[in-house]
Amino acid sequence: GNSVTQMEGPVTLSEEAFLTINCTYTATGYPSLFWYVQYPGEGLQLLLKATKADDKGSNKGFEATYRKETTSFHLEKGSVQVSDSAVYFCALSSSRGADGLTFGKGTHLIIQP
Amino acid sequence: NAGVTQTPKFRVLKTGQSMTLLCAQDMNHEYMYWYRQDPGMGLRLIHYSVGEGTTAKGEVPDGYNVSRLKKQNFLLGLESAAPSQTSVYFCASRSPSGSYNEQFFGPGTRLTVL
Repeated sequence: GNSVTQMEGPVTLSEEAFLTINCTYTATGYPSLFWYVQYPGEGLQLLLKATKADDKGSNKGFEATYRKETTSFHLEKGSVQVSDSAVYFCALSSSRGADGLTFGKGTHLIIQP
Repeated sequence: NAGVTQTPKFRVLKTGQSMTLLCAQDMNHEYMYWYRQDPGMGLRLIHYSVGEGTTAKGEVPDGYNVSRLKKQNFLLGLESAAPSQTSVYFCASRSPSGSYNEQFFGPGTRLTVL
């Protein structure tokens, strides 16, 4: 079956540091890949997405590239802000039908001033 | 355009009580989903529906029932709540068309079973 593995948290960084959150996946076919963000006390918001190999998703300074050869979709940001503190989820959607999303366990990111 | 809404936002139940969580979407989406979120577990799919009158089991369906009587609503029921069902419940919806299988999430319902 499908699975998503992302780095364990919490990850604590100083403001303006470079961020990488690793995500690897196992899936059959050609899944779509997503990063969702959850701010404290809120629901999930889509941060970025990619649907095929070598696609780069980007939003709000965050980027992730769909790497089929390494089955990875690592999240990066060049300079983080305190407001980026949240839980980040990597997820995939099967290439077939109405299947739900398969999520990683989430990475809690803490940015210190 | 409210997107996906969930009621209630919070609820405390005693073991053995029953309740229904309501999810509503105004985006005319065919597909709807219920997930639960537990610490260190990410989100796991409980049940889903591909259209009015249809339901299907997800990864963790035991102890829950669902109904989709109207396209815009998806109900999640707990017939006899157990402490193991203490969780945050999220509803999501999406369209079957488009190049991405993007799901839109509601704000969640925090349920505590004592």
